[in-house]
Amino acid sequence: ETGVTQTPRHLVMGMTNKKSLKCEQHLGHNAMYWYKQSAKKPLELMFVYSLEERVENNSVPSRFSPECPNSSHLFLHLHTLQPEDSALYLCASSRTQRNNSPLHFGNGTRLTVT
Amino acid sequence: GDSVTQMEGPVTLSEEAFLTINCTYTATGYPSLFWYVQYPGEGLQLLLKATKADDKGSNKGFEATYRKETTSFHLEKGSVQVSDSAVYFCALDPSGSARQLTFGSGTQLTVLP
Repeated sequence: ETGVTQTPRHLVMGMTNKKSLKCEQHLGHNAMYWYKQSAKKPLELMFVYSLEERVENNSVPSRFSPECPNSSHLFLHLHTLQPEDSALYLCASSRTQRNNSPLHFGNGTRLTVT
Repeated sequence: GDSVTQMEGPVTLSEEAFLTINCTYTATGYPSLFWYVQYPGEGLQLLLKATKADDKGSNKGFEATYRKETTSFHLEKGSVQVSDSAVYFCALDPSGSARQLTFGSGTQLTVLP
């Protein structure tokens, strides 16, 4: 039990589908993150939500849409994805965004776009 | 901009061998430095960190020393185990803000019995 739970673990979707990834943290943290992990590339921060602010990476396409209804839950809504979006999507949380607060990661959702 | 460069893998060692995974960084100011580990099928876990020059981070037998003069944060372990097989990520945080964390591309370590 990592304290950060992601569902589903695996997802296969067609390019015309709409799906959502879910993340839940039980650590009482106030900041949550979506990262994209592709083979042989550094982790890419996609979105950050915290009590202080929402931060977006401007290079993330609009076919990825985050939602953070409260400090414990984070969603990533997916629509009309491309095959190059296939990757491991990791959710993380931290106590705050600042003060070197370490990240706690979930086990990820392995997404395959066909 | 800030960047982290790790030695390319994969690295394959026999059990009880000495491990070094090199990490160098480019950053302005005085970043904090981290090593994260990702075991198969899991997310990343913080392994150790150092927040200022000459600090040594350590955990589970792993160590890394923040060397400002060589801009390095190499990961070492004196005697690796099969259970250490994982991907290791070096990362830097220039400002204490997690959203500015920059990761290296990871180094796959396989330890053979």
